[in-house]
Amino acid sequence: GQNIDQPTEMTATEGAIVQINCTYQTSGFNGLFWYQQHAGEAPTFLSYNVLDGLEEKGRFSSFLSRSKGYSYLLLKELQMKDSASYLCAVMAPMTTDSWGKLQFGAGTQVVVTP
Amino acid sequence: DTEVTQTPKHLVMGMTNKKSLKCEQHMGHRAMYWYKQKAKKPPELMFVYSYEKLSINESVPSRFSPECPNSSLLNLHLHALQPEDSALYLCASSQGETSGGGDTQYFGPGTRLTVL
Repeated sequence: GQNIDQPTEMTATEGAIVQINCTYQTSGFNGLFWYQQHAGEAPTFLSYNVLDGLEEKGRFSSFLSRSKGYSYLLLKELQMKDSASYLCAVMAPMTTDSWGKLQFGAGTQVVVTP
Repeated sequence: DTEVTQTPKHLVMGMTNKKSLKCEQHMGHRAMYWYKQKAKKPPELMFVYSYEKLSINESVPSRFSPECPNSSLLNLHLHALQPEDSALYLCASSQGETSGGGDTQYFGPGTRLTVL
């Protein structure tokens, strides 16, 4: 099974930077995803890491350390529209009975204030 | 285009009703998924279809019955639901094979289900 931990809530001001940490304990690992979800809407894909290091996409960056079971999502130049829940999700290994299993953390609610 | 569509957007049903949720994608994806999401909780996987065959059933009660008529469509048939089944039901799809970018799942907007 998987145990995925992330903070419940973070607050930051517009224009600032926020880092959302995610730690995981797993018997297998096939990549880590970050999704953004606004209230009442579907999760939207932000980033994917399978190798150690930093992936940058505009204002969003994601980092992975497989040896530490650790990832973070970095949001820069925060905007009001970034207020949302951010979900860390670990993909199970591609075996017959686990293919496609994406297990989510509980989500981190980011509140951006003026 | 990464669009997954779901109908209806909202559904209210009684415990004796039979209804169906529909999901469609035209991205050529070969894997499709049903998730259930309660308020302030993460999505929970229910079913996975791979190449139109059911590959994972996460011990979901039989009152939920999935169906994959073809590679673009996924249905979830509902019968004799309980009030605790009220939730947002999300459909997702993915290419169905790993690549350098991972097998990213793209979600539809969901159906908000209320069981009275």
